[in-house]
Amino acid sequence: GIQVEQSPPDLILQEGANSTLRCNFSDSVNNLQWFHQNPWGQLINLFYIPSGTKQNGRLSATTVATERYSLLYISSSQTTDSGVYFCAVEPRAGNNRKLIWGLGTSLAVNP
Amino acid sequence: NAGVTQTPKFQVLKTGQSMTLQCAQDMNHEYMSWYRQDPGMGLRLIHYSVGAGITDQGEVPNGYNVSRSTTEDFPLRLLSAAPSQTSVYFCASSYSRSQGLNTEAFFGQGTRLTVV
Repeated sequence: GIQVEQSPPDLILQEGANSTLRCNFSDSVNNLQWFHQNPWGQLINLFYIPSGTKQNGRLSATTVATERYSLLYISSSQTTDSGVYFCAVEPRAGNNRKLIWGLGTSLAVNP
Repeated sequence: NAGVTQTPKFQVLKTGQSMTLQCAQDMNHEYMSWYRQDPGMGLRLIHYSVGAGITDQGEVPNGYNVSRSTTEDFPLRLLSAAPSQTSVYFCASSYSRSQGLNTEAFFGQGTRLTVV
């Protein structure tokens, strides 16, 4: 089945720094989403981005479907950005609608 | 608009007990699913449903039952709880492909379950 790999697994930033998180996937997808899991465990939708580029405030994401990767950019990081960032994809193959998840990037932003 | 509502948020069970995790959505989503999240393993699909009256198994269905009598509700039943079912459970919903809208998934707040 499809493999989803996220990098880096862990990241420590000083407040105000920028970062790029990467998600590679091994097959064609119908859907790709980025989520932020905050320290309280809530999964927060960041982007629904099967292709192209989107921006929302200090966050932006780009998916290059033909090359099977997506990038999440965090600019001017804040302590509230801490948590785990997940990439999840819906494979194009098959009828099963499940999302396949990467293992996440654990981000800590220090004041 | 409440989105996806999961209850309870926390639960402790004894081995062998049964319980039902509730999930409701008010977005007219046909597709609903249950995941469990374990450390170091990401989220894994337990069961899913593409509409009322239709359910199917995901990756890790053993020990769990679901039903979908209405579009809004998708409860998850643990038949006889085991320590291996200690996990965080998430319910999710989205439009289905047949609804012709984007299939962005929305998640409930999660249920932290401990089986002792």
